[in-house]
Amino acid sequence: GAVVSQHPSRVICKSGTSVKIECRSLDFQATTMFWYRQFPKQSLMLMATSNEGSKATYEQGVEKDKFLINHASLTLSTLTVTSAHPEDSSFYICSARDLAGGAQPQHFGDGTRLSIL
Amino acid sequence: GDSVTQMEGPVTLSEEAFLTINCTYTATGYPSLFWYVQYPGEGLQLLLKATKADDKGSNKGFEATYRKETTSFHLEKGSVQVSDSAVYFCALSDRNDYKLSFGAGTTVTVRA
Repeated sequence: GAVVSQHPSRVICKSGTSVKIECRSLDFQATTMFWYRQFPKQSLMLMATSNEGSKATYEQGVEKDKFLINHASLTLSTLTVTSAHPEDSSFYICSARDLAGGAQPQHFGDGTRLSIL
Repeated sequence: GDSVTQMEGPVTLSEEAFLTINCTYTATGYPSLFWYVQYPGEGLQLLLKATKADDKGSNKGFEATYRKETTSFHLEKGSVQVSDSAVYFCALSDRNDYKLSFGAGTTVTVRA
């Protein structure tokens, strides 16, 4: 079945560090990938939609310069949290839409737990 | 816009009890409906889905029926197990852009 790999699974770093999270579709091509943020005991909040070869579309209230998204190929999208601060600590989840379609609208990665000290 | 409202938890049950998690939705078109499950520290896994009115999705003993007249997609399982302890999310998808709108999630804990 469709697999989405998200790396790293956990990051702990100092305030002011920039952190890059990778999202890869392992066995399918994804023109569209989605990035979500999930606070403890809350639902997933869509941050942005990433389209291969074009600029990401950010949801209202999400800072573009803070959360840089690059979708350079049909199997890879990256989210960079620039100059991270403790309030950026969260669980970040990516998902990918299979170019070939299929029953599921999105296939999800296992998430990245980001902790900023 | 599209939205999903699901029963707030947490829900605590004994093994073999009956589980129901209510979910209602608001959508302008004809969305597809989903239930996702999230185990601790993990991403989301699709549990079941329904793409049109009166469809019944089922998987691992869970069922949900797409009710257009009541705009609902309630999740049920007749006999839960400890391994069913997780957070359950109801979601809908706009067929045009495949974006997902999630409910708030319901934490279910099943005790032996």
